[in-house]
Amino acid sequence: QKEVEQDPGPLSVPEGAIVSLNCTYSNSAFQYFMWYRQYSRKGPELLMYTYSSGNKEDGRFTAQVDKSSKYISLFIRDSQPSDSATYLCAIPYGNNRLAFGKGNQVVVIP
Amino acid sequence: NAGVMQNPRHLVRRRGQEARLRCSPMKGHSHVYWYRQLPEEGLKFMVYLQKENIIDESGMPKERFSAEFPKEGPSILRIQQVVRGDSAAYFCASSPGTANNYGYTFGSGTRLTVV
Repeated sequence: QKEVEQDPGPLSVPEGAIVSLNCTYSNSAFQYFMWYRQYSRKGPELLMYTYSSGNKEDGRFTAQVDKSSKYISLFIRDSQPSDSATYLCAIPYGNNRLAFGKGNQVVVIP
Repeated sequence: NAGVMQNPRHLVRRRGQEARLRCSPMKGHSHVYWYRQLPEEGLKFMVYLQKENIIDESGMPKERFSAEFPKEGPSILRIQQVVRGDSAAYFCASSPGTANNYGYTFGSGTRLTVV
């Protein structure tokens, strides 16, 4: 079983819509959860970082962790064309490794 | 702060040649990681290094691939006798400490094409 699973389907939304992305993970002992954003032809950049359960908000972005169902979510409010990118969930595990989901390509249409 | 620097950005090699990918971590970062990204597969861990030490190479193919992070100079990912299946984007990342506390900072990647 993989450490983290992310349904890699693309997502197109109109500008201003709420984008909702999610991942599931396998090990209830995981405590740290991350979301990376990757623009085309660029490296991933750390977008959000949460520890344990609950919500974390940063501007238009909210990261949510539900440890009871081993589910992590990222919400983007008032989406902008500049949010068009691939979003990857990531979990640290083992010897300083990060396990990444396959990513969701988000396109925000003006 | 220049960030994580990778070069070259694009590399084309014929089958059987060697590919050398270079990575200079962020200033102050002593942990270096290499990941490979293939379409439809996502980012896969290859190797974790600290200065002059390979800490974890469990994600590296057993043959043809090697990595180093010398005392002086950049980290090098070396692929000998490349095959078409090695075509991918290779990303280097660095961190000042454990991934738990810091996550990674990634470079822009080297896109290897084997023809």
